[in-house]
Amino acid sequence: EDQVTQSPEALRLQEGESSSLNCSYTVSGLRGLFWYRQDPGKGPEFLFTLYSAGEEKEKERLKATLTKKESFLHITAPKPEDSATYLCAVQNNNAGNMLTFGGGTRLMVKP
Amino acid sequence: KAGVTQTPRYLIKTRGQQVTLSCSPISGHRSVSWYQQTPGQGLQFLFEYFSETQRNKGNFPGRFSGRQFSNSRSEMNVSTLELGDSALYLCASRRDRINAGELFFGEGSRLTVL
Repeated sequence: EDQVTQSPEALRLQEGESSSLNCSYTVSGLRGLFWYRQDPGKGPEFLFTLYSAGEEKEKERLKATLTKKESFLHITAPKPEDSATYLCAVQNNNAGNMLTFGGGTRLMVKP
Repeated sequence: KAGVTQTPRYLIKTRGQQVTLSCSPISGHRSVSWYQQTPGQGLQFLFEYFSETQRNKGNFPGRFSGRQFSNSRSEMNVSTLELGDSALYLCASRRDRINAGELFFGEGSRLTVL
């Protein structure tokens, strides 16, 4: 059974204080790993897709990386508007288009 | 371009009742997936429809069902509601099979079962 574990569950940062969110996964055959951002009262918003170990993707202050067992979402010099819950999900080669999500990391950035 | 639209946004039901939720995908998207989100279990896959056919089903009881119409709009139904069915139900559409994990989510239908 595919499993995705995200840590920490919650993270408080000061504006400008860089940090990383972790996503550990167990999947029999990884087709892709995905990062989403979810604001309160909204549906998740797609951020990145990573397909193979060593791959990196960047968007503004966010950079996602992938190894064979985990992914990191690095946040550089965060701003208050980066406050949200960040979700990681995996897609199994043998499970169609179903995504298995982790529990998320709730990020709070204080000015 | 309009996003994924879900109706109703909020609803309250009592145990034993049934509920139907509706989802209109982004224009041109033919795949619609449904997810249940709860504080305890997080986001869990319910089912996916493509061209009016169910392609995948998650590990939920038969009380949860869905369908897709020829215009790609989708509905999901939950019968004989239980307290544990209280959740945010999210619909997502997908542009194509190549970027299968890039889902566009609606804002959800929040169901409360009393």
